[in-house]
Amino acid sequence: GAVVSQHPSRVICKSGTSVKIECRSLDFQATTMFWYRQFPKQSLMLMATSNEGSKATYEQGVEKDKFLINHASLTLSTLTVTSAHPEDSSFYICSARLNEQFFGPGTRLTVL
Amino acid sequence: GQNIDQPTEMTATEGAIVQINCTYQTSGFNGLFWYQQHAGEAPTFLSYNVLDGLEEKGRFSSFLSRSKGYSYLLLKELQMKDSASYLCAVRDGGQGFSFIFGKGTRLLVKP
Repeated sequence: GAVVSQHPSRVICKSGTSVKIECRSLDFQATTMFWYRQFPKQSLMLMATSNEGSKATYEQGVEKDKFLINHASLTLSTLTVTSAHPEDSSFYICSARLNEQFFGPGTRLTVL
Repeated sequence: GQNIDQPTEMTATEGAIVQINCTYQTSGFNGLFWYQQHAGEAPTFLSYNVLDGLEEKGRFSSFLSRSKGYSYLLLKELQMKDSASYLCAVRDGGQGFSFIFGKGTRLLVKP
């Protein structure tokens, strides 16, 4: 199957700092990528749909100024959590769509 | 509204068969997916149904009835490593083809 990578896999940061997470489709081009957040023992919650060359589409309740998404190429989307707070600590997962969704391995963010 | 229901937890015995049900009510439909997710890891794809009927893939089978808004995932010859969460997801028919996920069913396989 298709491969999607994420970097970093884990990050610990101080409150108030910004963190960038990269999502790459390694062997296919993805015009659309998705960003999810998952809190412990809960399901995936779609945060935003990232479209190459245009603005991301954010789900209701997700602050676009806090979670900056850039999809600058057909193989790379980035999510930047700005001014992170402890409540932003979560598992962030990206996916890219071919005929089905292929998920990245996820990034565990811990904000102290 | 959009809603996907699946049981929260199930327990089964190694070597047995277990069926995980999923019912959905979505504004559009363009396929139903099952994913397996081990704790702390990203989901991995198990199966995909877009037409009614049964799709078999080794020890895993998935069934879909679009008229009933119903699917199940059948796991045979259960192994301890099958202990995981199983997510049911519906792809809507909108322009973005976004996925709507159920809350997942935590399956515990006991010896």
